[in-house]
Amino acid sequence: DAGVIQSPRHEVTEMGQEVTLRCKPISGHNSLFWYRQTMMRGLELLIYFNNNVPIDDSGMPEDRFSAKMPNASFSTLKIQPSEPRDSAVYFCASSQQGFDTGELFFGEGSRLTVL
Amino acid sequence: TQLLEQSPQFLSIQEGENLTVYCNSSSVFSSLQWYRQEPGEGPVLLVTVVTGGEVKKLKRLTFQFGDARKDSSLHITAAQPGDTGLYLCAGAPPAGKSTFGDGTTLTVKP
Repeated sequence: DAGVIQSPRHEVTEMGQEVTLRCKPISGHNSLFWYRQTMMRGLELLIYFNNNVPIDDSGMPEDRFSAKMPNASFSTLKIQPSEPRDSAVYFCASSQQGFDTGELFFGEGSRLTVL
Repeated sequence: TQLLEQSPQFLSIQEGENLTVYCNSSSVFSSLQWYRQEPGEGPVLLVTVVTGGEVKKLKRLTFQFGDARKDSSLHITAAQPGDTGLYLCAGAPPAGKSTFGDGTTLTVKP
């Protein structure tokens, strides 16, 4: 079975440019999560969708970040404009039961470098 | 926000040694998960513990959930280089968001 699929795996861009990260969750999973991982802050939850509806976006750092889930099989995380401090690995994860069980299935991540 | 503290932060051992890593909190969790993350990959779920005092075994890995459901431990017997990675615990509270600890980076030298 296919796991969570993220693209791109690596992105290098210049400050001020728009970045779009993409995620395809596991089929049948009704919850989708975007996390950011850095050495300094570890894994941070950015936003959580349930049945394609954003439930909690309190972790989104600022208005430069936005996320959408137009259907059950696709989500995007957009940063506009990007800044060097946004450099991190961004993970998408999906789950059958949301936060109730905490059992998340992660993609391989998108490593973003903003110069 | 529930705080999960993992210890030690870093651990470097020789192949064949045993080790234990800890995940502690002052909060009660409905369930707790352990994940392993290898370089360049996403975290992979190892186990979920739900009941206070529960012990689960996964080959050479033994997971225990504290009686009060506030802490957990992971014990690895006869560690192998393939066990190298970042071990993360995550707690799911009765209500609210699941949170991750900062992880224990394990290096097993051949």
